Amino acid sequence: AQSVAQPEDQVNVAEGNPLTVKCTYSVSGNPYLFWYVQYPNRGLQFLLKYITGDNLVKGSYGFEAEFNKSQTSFHLKKPSALVSDSALYFCAGSLYNFNKFYFGSGTKLNVKP
Amino acid sequence: DTAVSQTPKYLVTQMGNDKSIKCEQNLGHDTMYWYKQDSKKFLKIMFSYNNKELIINETVPNRFSPKSPDKAHLNLHINSLELGDSAVYFCASTSQGAKTGELFFGEGSRLTVL
Repeated sequence: AQSVAQPEDQVNVAEGNPLTVKCTYSVSGNPYLFWYVQYPNRGLQFLLKYITGDNLVKGSYGFEAEFNKSQTSFHLKKPSALVSDSALYFCAGSLYNFNKFYFGSGTKLNVKP
Repeated sequence: DTAVSQTPKYLVTQMGNDKSIKCEQNLGHDTMYWYKQDSKKFLKIMFSYNNKELIINETVPNRFSPKSPDKAHLNLHINSLELGDSAVYFCASTSQGAKTGELFFGEGSRLTVL
């Protein structure tokens, strides 16, 4: 069965410090992996994706993620966190046909001034 | 212009009633989805449609009936509402043909069943 896991319910970081939000996947074949952000009372917004090619992908708002096939991980990173990055982050995976996206349980990121 | 729009944004109703949520996308996408987000923020796929055809029905009770009159619209009708149906329902779309995989979400429809 295909699945995506986010092992941390919450991540706390101080503004200016680097942040990492973890994601592991179990998707057969060549997975397509995504990160989305959700602000309160809003829909999810696309941040970045890995389809193929470079393992390090860059996305919106200075975020990046590294695809690691041996560890089946796709962790979201940012070198310097902002208070405005505080939100709920979702990792998602899909097969090539995009019939279905498997979402992780979400990680709440708190960035403190 | 709103890319994926859902109406209504809020819906409060009594148990046993029937209600509908509408979704429209103006992105020219060929695939649309309904997701349910519960109080713990878990996102669960309910249905997906490609070119108006149902391709995923994720063991959703048959009280839920999606309808896609055309590629730009995907509506959700719920019969005999139950307390457990209270959630935020998100519509989303993508272009399978373009192979980008990027989902565009609506702002959600918060359903409260009393």
